[in-house]
Amino acid sequence: GAVVSQHPSWVICKSGTSVKIECRSLDFQATTMFWYRQFPKQSLMLMATSNEGSKATYEQGVEKDKFLINHASLTLSTLTVTSAHPEDSSFYICSARRTEANEQYFGPGTRLTVT
Amino acid sequence: GQNIDQPTEMTATEGAIVQINCTYQTSGFNGLFWYQQHAGEAPTFLSYNVLDGLEEKGRFSSFLSRSKGYSYLLLKELQMKDSASYLCAVLDSNYQLIWGAGTKLIIKP
Repeated sequence: GAVVSQHPSWVICKSGTSVKIECRSLDFQATTMFWYRQFPKQSLMLMATSNEGSKATYEQGVEKDKFLINHASLTLSTLTVTSAHPEDSSFYICSARRTEANEQYFGPGTRLTVT
Repeated sequence: GQNIDQPTEMTATEGAIVQINCTYQTSGFNGLFWYQQHAGEAPTFLSYNVLDGLEEKGRFSSFLSRSKGYSYLLLKELQMKDSASYLCAVLDSNYQLIWGAGTKLIIKP
């Protein structure tokens, strides 16, 4: 149990376009989902915390108008990178916290390359 | 401020035992996690400790001392596939995960 999926697993897009990444908890409900970004050989960086039915809480330095997060249901959160630029190229990882527990499970990640 | 310290890199030999330490200073404590992350992949959950003591799970064990702000991950019978980064993370009083920078473990034959 406690499987989190992400789609797509990798995407290449042109500069200026938008990309949507989906994060789903497949066999449990997650009131809270997290979005992380990881650059090569660096630690995970929390971008935002998403609570079902409410606005996401963004970490300092993360532009909320550029990284749109929607947590429409207890099993789905989406991250949309708007007007992507090459510097947005990174590994984006979501995680979901089980409603009744403190454990946090990660999706497999999405590698975004902006050309 | 909140701080999690773990060694940047460790090297060990296949078949041996290695202990990866983690010390933390956080505002509140609701548990400590260990994750394994292979290069280019997302982290995978290894263990969760919220009470003092040792939790054993196969070849991996995790220890916690809340009074000392200290944890370690013990890996036995090391295999080449254990080469990865090991991340220590603490759940603070606001239930936010505070991450260490990770320890890169290199296994040599």
